[in-house]
Amino acid sequence: DTGVSQDPRHKITKRGQNVTFRCDPISEHNRLYWYRQTLGQGPEFLTYFQNEAQLEKSRLLSDRFSAERPKGSFSTLEIQRTEQGDSAMYLCASSLAGEAFFGQGTRLTVV
Amino acid sequence: RKEVEQDPGPFNVPEGATVAFNCTYSNSASQSFFWYRQDCRKEPKLLMSVYSSGNEDGRFTAQLNRASQYISLLIRDSKLSDSATYLCVVIPNTGGFKTIFGAGTRLFVKA
Repeated sequence: DTGVSQDPRHKITKRGQNVTFRCDPISEHNRLYWYRQTLGQGPEFLTYFQNEAQLEKSRLLSDRFSAERPKGSFSTLEIQRTEQGDSAMYLCASSLAGEAFFGQGTRLTVV
Repeated sequence: RKEVEQDPGPFNVPEGATVAFNCTYSNSASQSFFWYRQDCRKEPKLLMSVYSSGNEDGRFTAQLNRASQYISLLIRDSKLSDSATYLCVVIPNTGGFKTIFGAGTRLFVKA
């Protein structure tokens, strides 16, 4: 499968725990995006990378959120001290020029 | 004002009907536009790009109105399988390739 892959697909965690998600983009894509989506809403932009550089970060992304793309290939999104409000689908997408292709997402439930 | 705004719907139409959605964007210098389709609990997938001259793909027609800053999607001869959420996507001209999604318009096609 040469599409965007995300791991894990589902994560249940207790409030206050840290979680980390991984995204492997389509191999030749230099741009990588993270979005958060809750029920009934469209994907909300969190951050994006061009190669290994993080070019923009949404104000939605509090200090508890950090994303990396150390070698310009896969990316990780870490959430520290999770809160119930962090429960959502976390979507990763990649692009080369124009349209973005999405992974199937990581569904996070904070209990 | 949100960067990308859509009527959330839902639009409930019978099979065979024609339905149209609009989406407005706030950045007049926006450079690229797309329509994505998202099925329940699935990731968004590209439906079609929107070109300045408008474009058509089978039963789907997309148009761009730069003067009024909106894009539209027209679906003719609706099928049950068209039931989904349709997301308007804009890449604003902010010097990068940040991709912004609208909240989506829900469509239900009934037999």
